[in-house]
Amino acid sequence: AQSVTQPDIHITVSEGASLELRCNYSYGATPYLFWYVQSPGQGLQLLLKYFSGDTLVQGIKGFEAEFKRSQSSFNLRKPSVHWSDAAEYFCAAFTGGGNKLTFGTGTQLKVEL
Amino acid sequence: ETGVTQSPTHLIKTRGQQVTLRCSSQSGHNTVSWYQQALGQGPQFIFQYYREEENGRGNFPPRFSGLQFPNYSSELNVNALELDDSALYLCASSSSGGALETQYFGPGTRLLVL
Repeated sequence: AQSVTQPDIHITVSEGASLELRCNYSYGATPYLFWYVQSPGQGLQLLLKYFSGDTLVQGIKGFEAEFKRSQSSFNLRKPSVHWSDAAEYFCAAFTGGGNKLTFGTGTQLKVEL
Repeated sequence: ETGVTQSPTHLIKTRGQQVTLRCSSQSGHNTVSWYQQALGQGPQFIFQYYREEENGRGNFPPRFSGLQFPNYSSELNVNALELDDSALYLCASSSSGGALETQYFGPGTRLLVL
């Protein structure tokens, strides 16, 4: 079955430290891949997306993600985390036609001051 | 430009009741998708409406139904509510039903079924 896996349920980093959130997908073909962020009481905000081409994708708020076909991964990175980055992060994918997004279970990021 | 809005923000119902949730899509968008997000989980796709027609459905029973209006706003109806229906319901709009179009999410409606 097609799926998106986020292995880390919770991650804690210190402000100013680097961040990497993991995402793995299981699909027959290369899916379209997304990272969304959800702050408490808010809807999902798109950070970045990958459709094709350059495997390193830049997003908003200083985030980037790298698509690695050999590892079926699309990990999210940020060189220096800010306290305001504390939120829940979701990796998502879809394949084929239509607009259905399949989400991972999310990674809750805590930032220590 | 107005973003995606949802109403109500919170709702409490009892088991067996029916509920209607509403979503206004972003200006210029003709596609609305609905997702259910249970506590501690990622959103699960319920269905999508494109130009007033259902355009895909996830693994949800028929008691979950929807509607899209000529102005592209949308409703999600859930009949015979069950305790497990307690969740955050998100709607997302996009400018077409195509895979390359970004979905913009509303803040959600939090439903509690007692």
